Amino acid sequence: SQQGEEDPQALSIQEGENATMNCSYKTSINNLQWYRQNSGRGLVHLILIRSNEREKHSGRLRVTLDTSKKSSSLLITASRAADTASYFCATGEGANNLFFGTGTRLTVIP
Amino acid sequence: DAGITQSPRHKVTETGTPVTLRCHQTENHRYMYWYRQDPGHGLRLIHYSYGVKDTDKGEVSDGYSVSRSKTEDFLLTLESATSSQTSVYFCAISGASGVADTQYFGPGTRLTVL
Repeated sequence: SQQGEEDPQALSIQEGENATMNCSYKTSINNLQWYRQNSGRGLVHLILIRSNEREKHSGRLRVTLDTSKKSSSLLITASRAADTASYFCATGEGANNLFFGTGTRLTVIP
Repeated sequence: DAGITQSPRHKVTETGTPVTLRCHQTENHRYMYWYRQDPGHGLRLIHYSYGVKDTDKGEVSDGYSVSRSKTEDFLLTLESATSSQTSVYFCAISGASGVADTQYFGPGTRLTVL
């Protein structure tokens, strides 16, 4: 499969703590993206990091990319109950398509 | 949801019947995609379109066909629905350069095939 794989599959933390999710993939990529999905909703784009970038920030989100290890991490700092959702990495591996992993289910306990 | 609607939002049908799902966008984006989401599999691409009347197969295209006669509409048809096609279907759009870029998702259609 060309999908990325997220780790862990599920994560439960207290509000205010940091949450770290990892993504590994198998092939060369153009970019790697992270999406969030709230229960019963569509996916929402969070951040895109290109293959020539190593780190990117957006608000409380920090994404790293290590192309030599074919891995990425998403850090959410100072988590909030509203961050409770599933998080997916998606690899851009061709002209138009993204390949999604199976997701990490994050629960932030108030 | 970035100007993307899907219809119907919920549908229950019987095995062997044809089903058509509609995705409509108001963003004038070039690329449109159909995914299915199942537990343990994440999102899997069914078909995508890179322009009017230009479509291509994705990872799980068997049993599905698509059509795009206008920029704003992308139809997904299950020619003869089977229980294995029970799933949540998402449409997505992407406007940009042709290099796999940010996608914007619709709210989803929950399809149950009895």
